[in-house]
Amino acid sequence: ETGVTQSPTHLIKTRGQQVTLRCSSQSGHNTVSWYQQALGQGPQFIFQYYREEENGRGNFPPRFSGLQFPNYSSELNVNALELDDSALYLCASSFNDQPQHFGDGTRLSIL
Amino acid sequence: QKEVEQDPGPLSVPEGAIVSLNCTYSNSAFQYFMWYRQYSRKGPELLMYTYSSGNKEDGRFTAQVDKSSKYISLFIRDSQPSDSATYLCAMKAGGYNKLIFGAGTRLAVHP
Repeated sequence: ETGVTQSPTHLIKTRGQQVTLRCSSQSGHNTVSWYQQALGQGPQFIFQYYREEENGRGNFPPRFSGLQFPNYSSELNVNALELDDSALYLCASSFNDQPQHFGDGTRLSIL
Repeated sequence: QKEVEQDPGPLSVPEGAIVSLNCTYSNSAFQYFMWYRQYSRKGPELLMYTYSSGNKEDGRFTAQVDKSSKYISLFIRDSQPSDSATYLCAMKAGGYNKLIFGAGTRLAVHP
């Protein structure tokens, strides 16, 4: 059984740029959630996708957007990058509302 | 006030000790309670998943939930150096709701 995989593992961008992060959900999972984890903090919920529809959103601005594809993989897009966007971005998948399983994240650094 | 409070530590114990990790919360709607372990440069790994009040045991790990006090605990028996990691508590209201995390407690088990 393949777990949650995320790419790339590390990314460096400059302020104002745009970035796309990718996530392949665990086999059999149909729900994907994205979280932002700042250094020394717990993950904060960005949004969730269920059957290709956004199914809940945290307190993040509209420049954070996402997609879920028919194979349940997902993308997180962030426009107009700011210094405060530097963080570990985590993807978690689950079957319906069952426990969420996380990938190892993408570490995004903004210069 | 944060919805979930967790002492960030660090907590340093000798090998073989019993470790107690705790979180308090303010939202009485939370019904599902989780503990995740996160090693450096890795994603959170689900350790325990409990519903409502009570105890749950899995090997050396025991999770306790006291909804009347809004208090959850994770006990680790016979701690090992491999248990050295950050432990995150997480909780959610029912269904597809987002996970709310504590800040994480850093644990170091020394030989």
